[in-house]
Amino acid sequence: SAVISQKPSRDICQRGTSLTIQCQVDSQVTMMFWYRQQPGQSLTLIATANQGSEATYESGFVIDKFPISRPNLTFSTLTVSNMSPEDSSIYLCSVCRMNTEAFFGQGTRLTVV
Amino acid sequence: GENVEQHPSTLSVQEGDSAVIKCTYSDSASNYFPWYKQELGKGPQLIIDIRSNVGEKKDQRIAVTLNKTAKHFSLHITETQPEDSAVYFCAASKNTGNQFYFGTGTSLTVIP
Repeated sequence: SAVISQKPSRDICQRGTSLTIQCQVDSQVTMMFWYRQQPGQSLTLIATANQGSEATYESGFVIDKFPISRPNLTFSTLTVSNMSPEDSSIYLCSVCRMNTEAFFGQGTRLTVV
Repeated sequence: GENVEQHPSTLSVQEGDSAVIKCTYSDSASNYFPWYKQELGKGPQLIIDIRSNVGEKKDQRIAVTLNKTAKHFSLHITETQPEDSAVYFCAASKNTGNQFYFGTGTSLTVIP
């Protein structure tokens, strides 16, 4: 398995501000992903964080709103920009190792007021 | 793209009984099907998975079955215990890209 540290674990933010979430893995991984889980809902993929290049975003998610960095094979950040209450969700970092197994961080519970 | 449906959305069972959760998928190219358990305030944890080259896999009280022809797979939990209470998600993916498509989740409650 992979040990994933995600920070912060939770935050309450004012609308219009931005929050950067960090994801640190204990070893190098090929793929890193960011998911959003709205209250009582399933997981929706936001983007794939690519090392050394721009992230690949899913339909409905754009770089201006969710800029992502991945400077190396063990670390990535997701920023939620210009937040509104609709952005209140759990944001999850996920990594893939051994080609198919995916592991998740504990998530960041974001509340926008 | 892939569409994964999961049923039921909620499930209550008596301790010691069995629980079954079912998922269907739409993309015949999907070949990897994991199940995740998510406890309150935690991220999803992988509990069992199955690849398309097998029809069944078992790990103690947990088993998963796959019917490729019908494009559905199921999670079976036997002798349920209160600590099995959680939300369970099924998912499907293809090897390429490792992008996962998740079901809508099943909230399982095991009543002592």
